[in-house]
Amino acid sequence: DSGVTQTPKHLITATGQRVTLRCSPRSGDLSVYWYQQSLDQGLQFLIQYYNGEERAKGNILERFSAQQFPDLHSELNLSSLELGDSALYFCASSAGLQTYYEQYFGPGTRLTVT
Amino acid sequence: KNEVEQSPQNLTAQEGEFITINCSYSVGISALHWLQQHPGGGIVSLFMLSSGKKKHGRLIATINIQEKHSSLHITASHPRDSAVYICAVGTRNQFYFGTGTSLTVIP
Repeated sequence: DSGVTQTPKHLITATGQRVTLRCSPRSGDLSVYWYQQSLDQGLQFLIQYYNGEERAKGNILERFSAQQFPDLHSELNLSSLELGDSALYFCASSAGLQTYYEQYFGPGTRLTVT
Repeated sequence: KNEVEQSPQNLTAQEGEFITINCSYSVGISALHWLQQHPGGGIVSLFMLSSGKKKHGRLIATINIQEKHSSLHITASHPRDSAVYICAVGTRNQFYFGTGTSLTVIP
């Protein structure tokens, strides 16, 4: 058990809808990363938050947004969903800001868009 | 253009064999991570390297910063090592992932 929790585990929704994925980091960790894993693209970095502030952005679509709350949990919002958004979404947490800190991954949320 | 290249893509080994997975990258990095993903989908961080070599049990990871290359070695492989191994490099503000090496260890 990594100590990182993600909800929900599975989500099935229709095209055009909006969903929110939630991540609670390991106790004491200030950084939260969001990743997308699809069959054709593999793992991709979406966005990083550190202590409530956005610190790095990867291949995140404009339809997607995220935030980190004062209690350090984070939410990833996906809107105007398309079939191609079907993927596993992982969050990971680490103690520090830089990429050389070990990351602890949550179990993932499997999103299916029909 | 892929910033991170892994080889081989697939690997089948007999139990007890010595296994090597390679990772080459093309960007300047702060750190390189080796991850393990089991069939259920969960991801575990195995190593974080910024230089040299690390060992944990039967796993050894090395990195050559000048050559932009890292290797993950598994000694005395076991069927429970069957998983996908993913190389990830962290730059100042990005992460790039390899496509993974799918390892199957046969008893």
